[in-house]
Amino acid sequence: SAVISQKPSRDICQRGTSLTIQCQVDSQVTMMFWYRQQPGQSLTLIATANQGSEATYESGFVIDKFPISRPNLTFSTLTVSNMSPEDSSIYLCSVEVIGAGTDTQYFGPGTRLTVL
Amino acid sequence: AQTVTQSQPEMSVQEAETVTLSCTYDTSESDYYLFWYKQPPSRQMILVIRQEAYKQQNATENRFSVNFQKAAKSFSLKISDSQLGDAAMYFCAYRSAGGSQGNLIFGKGTKLSVKP
Repeated sequence: SAVISQKPSRDICQRGTSLTIQCQVDSQVTMMFWYRQQPGQSLTLIATANQGSEATYESGFVIDKFPISRPNLTFSTLTVSNMSPEDSSIYLCSVEVIGAGTDTQYFGPGTRLTVL
Repeated sequence: AQTVTQSQPEMSVQEAETVTLSCTYDTSESDYYLFWYKQPPSRQMILVIRQEAYKQQNATENRFSVNFQKAAKSFSLKISDSQLGDAAMYFCAYRSAGGSQGNLIFGKGTKLSVKP
């Protein structure tokens, strides 16, 4: 498995501002993913963070709203831009571990975002 | 497109008893993975159990086991000797085995309560 940390663990933000969430892994990973979990809902994939290239976004999510960086094999950031109350959610990053062929994703602890 | 359905929004079990959570999925693929994740109130997504579609043998992890019926596209989770710490949301998830489709597709979840 992998040890994954996220910063911040929670935040309360004002409408119209932006927040950058960091995801750090203790080992090199091929694939990193960002999910959104709206209150009382399941998880929805926002994008796949690719090292050295643009992120791949799912339908309904755009780069201008959710810019993602992946500068190396252990780190990624997700920015929630120009926030509105509808962006209040838990944001989770997940990773797949290199080499073990496990095809299993492990999740970070999540970032709880509240937009006022 | 693949879909995952959890038809039980809530379930309840007496401590030390056994409970089964249902999950069905729809796919045209022959090779894939299925997972059960647990999300306690701390919101950390914890992998419970994993099943490869090409394996006929049902996966088992201590008190957790699955009943994988590939033809019926069914993947239920059995929790034996339920403990208070098992209380959580349980999500069933699907992942394609091929190519770059590494993202997980989640069901809506089942909230499990454990009564002392």
